Amino acid sequence: DTGVSQNPRHKITKRGQNVTFRCDPISEHNRLYWYRQTLGQGPEFLTYFQNEAQLEKSRLLSDRFSAERPKGSFSTLEIQRTEQGDSAMYLCASSLEGNPNYGYTFGSGTRLTVV
Amino acid sequence: DAKTTQPPSMDCAEGRAANLPCNHSTISGNEYVYWYRQIHSQGPQYIIHGLKNNETNEMASLIITEDRKSSTLILPHATLRDTAVYYCIVRVAGNTGKLIFGQGTTLQVKP
Repeated sequence: DTGVSQNPRHKITKRGQNVTFRCDPISEHNRLYWYRQTLGQGPEFLTYFQNEAQLEKSRLLSDRFSAERPKGSFSTLEIQRTEQGDSAMYLCASSLEGNPNYGYTFGSGTRLTVV
Repeated sequence: DAKTTQPPSMDCAEGRAANLPCNHSTISGNEYVYWYRQIHSQGPQYIIHGLKNNETNEMASLIITEDRKSSTLILPHATLRDTAVYYCIVRVAGNTGKLIFGQGTTLQVKP
């Protein structure tokens, strides 16, 4: 297992464009999380899935953001009509529900720059 | 989940022990203490967690005070590669919902 994979690693887009990021979790993990991190801050929770069900969404997740995990495996995070304030690192993590001795595994993130 | 307080930054000499403190005075009896670290441009990495007993693994040791209101992460022989932001998080065991990150401690290991 190669861990949590995120693509692309970097994305530069013009304001107003739509972008989509992909996350491939560890195969046996049933929970998948999205976080956003701006410079100098800790990661901020956006949303998480258990299998294909989206169980919680942060207030940070505006109407322009949508996340899916259609078959309970990989997930996508789409941002519509990007704004400069969306520039950040977007992190994905996965975990195995119910195992208290098992930490989250994070991917290396997708760095978004909106120009 | 209870809140934590960490110093914003610390320095450590290479080869020496790095002791990173964390205060969690409002921790509940069923909440564990977790430590993660984030090396520049990478995602956070799990280090260790514990409830009330001291814990040790191949990466670090975790010392939790008897009243559980504070803890210390110990990197016994810090290397330059341990330079990172270290996050202390408390949360209910088995609750695999969201982790709440603070701003963490930036550890700079110096040669």
